[in-house]
Amino acid sequence: GAGVSQSPRYKVAKRGQDVALRCDPISGHVSLFWYQQALGQGPEFLTYFQNEAQLDKSGLPSDRFFAERPEGSVSTLKIQRTQQEDSAVYLCASSSSGSMSEQFFGPGTRLTVL
Amino acid sequence: AQTVTQSQPEMSVQEAETVTLSCTYDTSESNYYLFWYKQPPSRQMILVIRQEAYKQQNATENRFSVNFQKAAKSFSLKISDSQLGDTAMYFCAFTTGANSKLTFGKGITLSVRP
Repeated sequence: GAGVSQSPRYKVAKRGQDVALRCDPISGHVSLFWYQQALGQGPEFLTYFQNEAQLDKSGLPSDRFFAERPEGSVSTLKIQRTQQEDSAVYLCASSSSGSMSEQFFGPGTRLTVL
Repeated sequence: AQTVTQSQPEMSVQEAETVTLSCTYDTSESNYYLFWYKQPPSRQMILVIRQEAYKQQNATENRFSVNFQKAAKSFSLKISDSQLGDTAMYFCAFTTGANSKLTFGKGITLSVRP
């Protein structure tokens, strides 16, 4: 694949529903990151994977947020019992190692919770 | 705490002119990387330029260059010969390499006028 892909691009959920957001990183990239970007703001870190290991989940705002990357490639960010404050763009990024190499971003999933 | 501050919310520049975007940061780390990312209206985040903190020489990428003042913790982006395609949000970001997560500023909206 040419770059990082995310699906769906847009998601509308009713408050209280569960949602799952998917990220397909660049093939072979070891590191995968999730960020949350509120309207008009910079992205904020949520969680980080190195291969299948979740090494940092300090940015997850509550226990309603859960991320996984079971085979070290595709990752899913799940939000349970969505709230209006969860409305944001969720960005996924991957990089070739856990060092300071460039992070390549996907187009994001815009989540709107009604 | 590590923070990135972009105090200018919006800037406008005439096509072919030069514009400078400001950024300051705060960290207690001695080794880190600084970045400028561009986010066009389509929302795909693209790396513009990167600077290693241990390098004294300012990074340059074609029309883009930085003024890195380590003591002042300042990292500004200069765009020369501005083009209409430079219209976007620009985010300053840095990483300490602990797990390579990026800390972003709030961003600045740059408009290039024809």
